[in-house]
Amino acid sequence: DQQVKQNSPSLSVQEGRISILNCDYTNSMFDYFLWYKKYPAEGPTFLISISSIKDKNEDGRFTVFLNKSAKHLSLHIVPSQPGDSAVYFCAASATRHDKIIFGKGTRLHILP
Amino acid sequence: DAGITQSPRYKITETGRQVTLMCHQTWSHSYMFWYRQDLGHGLRLIYYSAAADITDKGEVPDGYVVSRSKTENFPLTLESATRSQTSVYFCASSESWQGAGEQYFGPGTRLTVT
Repeated sequence: DQQVKQNSPSLSVQEGRISILNCDYTNSMFDYFLWYKKYPAEGPTFLISISSIKDKNEDGRFTVFLNKSAKHLSLHIVPSQPGDSAVYFCAASATRHDKIIFGKGTRLHILP
Repeated sequence: DAGITQSPRYKITETGRQVTLMCHQTWSHSYMFWYRQDLGHGLRLIYYSAAADITDKGEVPDGYVVSRSKTENFPLTLESATRSQTSVYFCASSESWQGAGEQYFGPGTRLTVT
C-alpha cells in the first residue's frame, strides 16, 4: 500500500527548460512534505519542504506546489541545469513529529 | 572530517553470516536513522534512535539489530544475513525527529548477500 506515489520513474528535460516532478499521496493526515535529491553513489540530500498551511514554497530555482484537495504536490525546477540530473524523492509525514514515508523516486535527466 | 560517514562502502557476505554496518556522525545530532533502498521501493526506515541508549523499530526491522552506546555512532547488525537483505543501506542523522526538519544522509553501504 503505497502512501506516497511518484508515478513517473524517469523524466527527460532540455537544459534551460522547466522540470516538473509530480507526487501523489493517499493519506489525508499527511501535512508535511519534503523533496530529497540523490546523485549516484551518494546519500540523498534535502532540497525543499512545505507544510500543509502553505500551497507554495520557493527556494531559488526550486518551487514546491501543494494541492491538498487533490493530494498532489509537484516540484518545479526553473531553469533546469545539467547538475539537476539526479533521482528525486518525494516524502511526507503526518505531523512534524512523525516518521517520513518516501516515494520510489523519479530519475531526472537534463539533456544538453 | 565533519559530517556523516558509513563503513564499509561495499560489502559482500554469505547467507547466514553476521555483518555490521557502521555509521558515525560528527554533529552531535540526537536522532539517527537507518534506511534501506531497493529497486521498486523508496527509502524504508529500518530502525531509528532518539538519543544514546534509545532505539526503536521502523517500517522493516526484522532481521536487524541496532545499538547506540554513544551519540555519534549507530551501528546496524544483520545477525544472520539473508539474500533479501541485499540492498543499499543509508544512515542519516538530524537535530530533531525526521518529520521536523532535514536529515543528513551518509553515502550509503552497498551490501550483497550471496
